[in-house]
Amino acid sequence: DQQVKQNSPSLSVQEGRISILNCDYTNSMFDYFLWYKKYPAEGPTFLISISSIKDKNEDGRFTVFLNKSAKHLSLHIVPSQPGDSAVYFCAASGGGTYKYIFGTGTRLKVLA
Amino acid sequence: GAGVSQSPRYKVAKRGQDVALRCDPISGHVSLFWYQQALGQGPEFLTYFQNEAQLDKSGLPSDRFFAERPEGSVSTLKIQRTQQEDSAVYLCASSLQGPRAYEQSYFGPGTRLTVT
Repeated sequence: DQQVKQNSPSLSVQEGRISILNCDYTNSMFDYFLWYKKYPAEGPTFLISISSIKDKNEDGRFTVFLNKSAKHLSLHIVPSQPGDSAVYFCAASGGGTYKYIFGTGTRLKVLA
Repeated sequence: GAGVSQSPRYKVAKRGQDVALRCDPISGHVSLFWYQQALGQGPEFLTYFQNEAQLDKSGLPSDRFFAERPEGSVSTLKIQRTQQEDSAVYLCASSLQGPRAYEQSYFGPGTRLTVT
């Protein structure tokens, strides 16, 4: 069963607009969440994280929101730039485990 | 400073061959993970080391897969008698602290294994 789901395989956004990437999880024991960005032929690069004691974390153009009751998190990128075009993975851990469970990714394309 | 490196970057193996994939983590990092990423999927956990101890190998798909980190730094993932379903990108990641320290992992570029 897929414990972390990214239901949108792809997303296109105009440069300068907001990109919103969504992630749902099923395991209520998860208490730490991360977003990674991946360019072709490279490994994933850490973007931003949030622990379950918070509902929002912001870093420059990137903000992650966590809704624990809905078991949902989202990544907002404002304003979107062409260099943001990549595959974005959300990942979760917790419940006494240290491994990260990844979603299947969302391919973001920012159009100039 | 140097990041996580992996070698080779690309490996083509004939079905039935053994392969060895190497990971050099960031110096001083306690934790080391191996993940397998199939095409169009997210990385899937294979195994975890804390220093030289392999604390979790629950993700290894079969007994053909074996990983080691004998001196607590470099790690090798070995796949014996490769099968076509082993074709994937194998990612190594390291992090500074031990288990249950919630922190990011730093990923290497991966080794793309193609079994023909």
